Amino acid sequence: EIVLTQSPDTLSLSPGERATLSCRASQSVSSYLAWYQQKPGQAPRLLIYDASNRATGIPARFSGSGSGTDFTLTISSLEPKDFAVYYCQQRSNWPPTFGQGTRLEIE
Amino acid sequence: EVQLVESGGGLVKPGGSLRLSCAASGFTFSSYSMNWVRQAPGKGLEWVSSISGSSSYIYYADSMKGRFTISRDNAKKSLYLQMNSLRAEDTAVYYCARGTSQLLSWFDPWGQGTLVTVSS
Repeated sequence: EIVLTQSPDTLSLSPGERATLSCRASQSVSSYLAWYQQKPGQAPRLLIYDASNRATGIPARFSGSGSGTDFTLTISSLEPKDFAVYYCQQRSNWPPTFGQGTRLEIE
Repeated sequence: EVQLVESGGGLVKPGGSLRLSCAASGFTFSSYSMNWVRQAPGKGLEWVSSISGSSSYIYYADSMKGRFTISRDNAKKSLYLQMNSLRAEDTAVYYCARGTSQLLSWFDPWGQGTLVTVSS
């Protein structure tokens, strides 16, 4: 199965700063990568699909890039509600797999 | 509004069984693949199983194969997960999530989840 490794495990930033989260695949997943946000006690929410497409209702400050094995989720200017755990997920090969998550915390 | 509501979770003894349900509304249920994803307490997300819109194609994670059975009833707009031979490591919140017209897809949206606790 394809292993997704996210970095860093924890990212400490302040509101207004730019956040850059990484996801690396153990083999190419083309552009078949999604990003999710999960807040405590809530279900995950789709942010980005197929590497760079924002899901419905997702603000423009969230953007995704990359292809092959290296992907990035960028939050251009952090708002207090953006502090959460972020997961990447590939849909290139069975089984679909998730990264271990990056916790974005307030510095 | 697209909505998914899970039910059926609870406390079960090791070796026991449980059936989870997911009621869907706000979209043409039969046109979408559906999925179960779980999250152990304090851990990350783990895909469990997927089923195509017509139930023609079904996939399971290796650790659930032979113990879990996914099914759907398009007339009732419902998704199910029959879980047998439950183990302590199956303790998790189980989420139902909509896929796309393709079986291997991203997941959007997700239900609120139902907690399954396997303990004696």
